[in-house]
Amino acid sequence: NAGVTQTPKFQVLKTGQSMTLQCAQDMNHEYMSWYRQDPGMGLRLIHYSVGAGITDQGEVPNGYNVSRSTTEDFPLRLLSAAPSQTSVYFCASSLSGSQAHEQYFGPGTRLTVT
Amino acid sequence: DQQVKQNSPSLSVQEGRISILNCDYTNSMFDYFLWYKKYPAEGPTFLISISSIKDKNEDGRFTVFLNKSAKHLSLHIVPSQPGDSAVYFCAASAGGVFGNEKLTFGTGTRLTIIP
Repeated sequence: NAGVTQTPKFQVLKTGQSMTLQCAQDMNHEYMSWYRQDPGMGLRLIHYSVGAGITDQGEVPNGYNVSRSTTEDFPLRLLSAAPSQTSVYFCASSLSGSQAHEQYFGPGTRLTVT
Repeated sequence: DQQVKQNSPSLSVQEGRISILNCDYTNSMFDYFLWYKKYPAEGPTFLISISSIKDKNEDGRFTVFLNKSAKHLSLHIVPSQPGDSAVYFCAASAGGVFGNEKLTFGTGTRLTIIP
């Protein structure tokens, strides 16, 4: 199993550009989520999904869109990038129910917006 | 409003000694607590967890203690090894529609084990 994979590893965007961060998992996990990590802020939940076709907002959803058309994929879209979105983004997945807290994280995408 | 707090940004411990990492929380609805470990340029990995119905959970060299009245938990690593050098995140969950899927993380403590 590859686990949770994220692409790209690094990305530089100009203000106003759009892009999609890709996330895929091959563990048949129902739950997937996106976090951002900023210095001194820990990891903050952006959006999450409890299954295909079901998504919801986390703590910091503004400026980001998500969709979940398949169990395996959970892309994160930035429609109009802003310097405040410079961060490291982590995708995670887990089983639902009592094991949902044991989340498996991808290696991260480091995004810089200039 | 930081609901999960790790007040020590860094900690240095001699190899072989005990490492104690602390975490405080404010939300009384949290009922599950976890520790994640993170190496540079990698994603966090799950280390150990504890339910609010327990006050202690052990897994090898790692033990997590929960004091609900003080809203405080700690992670003990005994004995500390060089490979334990990493950033440790405390996280908490208040349950969700399908379970404990939404996690609130602390800001992390960087642990350095000195050989």
